Amino acid sequence: DAGVTQSPTHLIKTRGQHVTLRCSPISGHKSVSWYQQVLGQGPQFIFQYYEKEERGRGNFPDRFSARQFPNYSSELNVNALLLGDSALYLCASSLVAGADEKLFFGSGTQLSVL
Amino acid sequence: RKEVEQDPGPFNVPEGATVAFNCTYSNSASQSFFWYRQDCRKEPKLLMSVYSSGNEDGRFTAQLNRASQYISLLIRDSKLSDSATYLCVVNLYSGNTPLVFGKGTRLSVIA
Repeated sequence: DAGVTQSPTHLIKTRGQHVTLRCSPISGHKSVSWYQQVLGQGPQFIFQYYEKEERGRGNFPDRFSARQFPNYSSELNVNALLLGDSALYLCASSLVAGADEKLFFGSGTQLSVL
Repeated sequence: RKEVEQDPGPFNVPEGATVAFNCTYSNSASQSFFWYRQDCRKEPKLLMSVYSSGNEDGRFTAQLNRASQYISLLIRDSKLSDSATYLCVVNLYSGNTPLVFGKGTRLSVIA
């Protein structure tokens, strides 16, 4: 069975541009979460979607947005890119959303903003 | 106080050694706890859940102390392949941020 898949794997953008990252969850998983990981830090929560509705939002500016599609895949959009947005963006899916939630991560999208 | 705190290390230990990591959390309403392992330039992978009764998986033992608000991970008979960053994860369940990751503890097992 396929795990969580993310595309693209690497991306180079310049300041002010817009980027769209894509994620397909494990089959049967209805929850998708997005995390940003800067080198040397743990993953920082950006968004969670469960059954196509936003369940949680981390402390990120409005330039970050996301959505989940009827097939449970998800997109993360970032507008007006800043140098500080350079990071590894991880998508994770889980079977349930709640106390027993266990995350399965994709291999991430490495975003470099020049 | 940060929500989840870990000693970043690095912990450099010889093969065969026993090593332990602790992680403290600030929210007493936290519901569940996990350890994830992250290899260099790879995604985090679930290592084990942490229960109040403690749990063991081979050479790995995890413990939860709710009164003192910390969780621990013990690795016995360390292998070179155990070299990685170990992330402590706390599930708040409610609120806007369901799962909070620590910064991770780096372990290097040396021959």
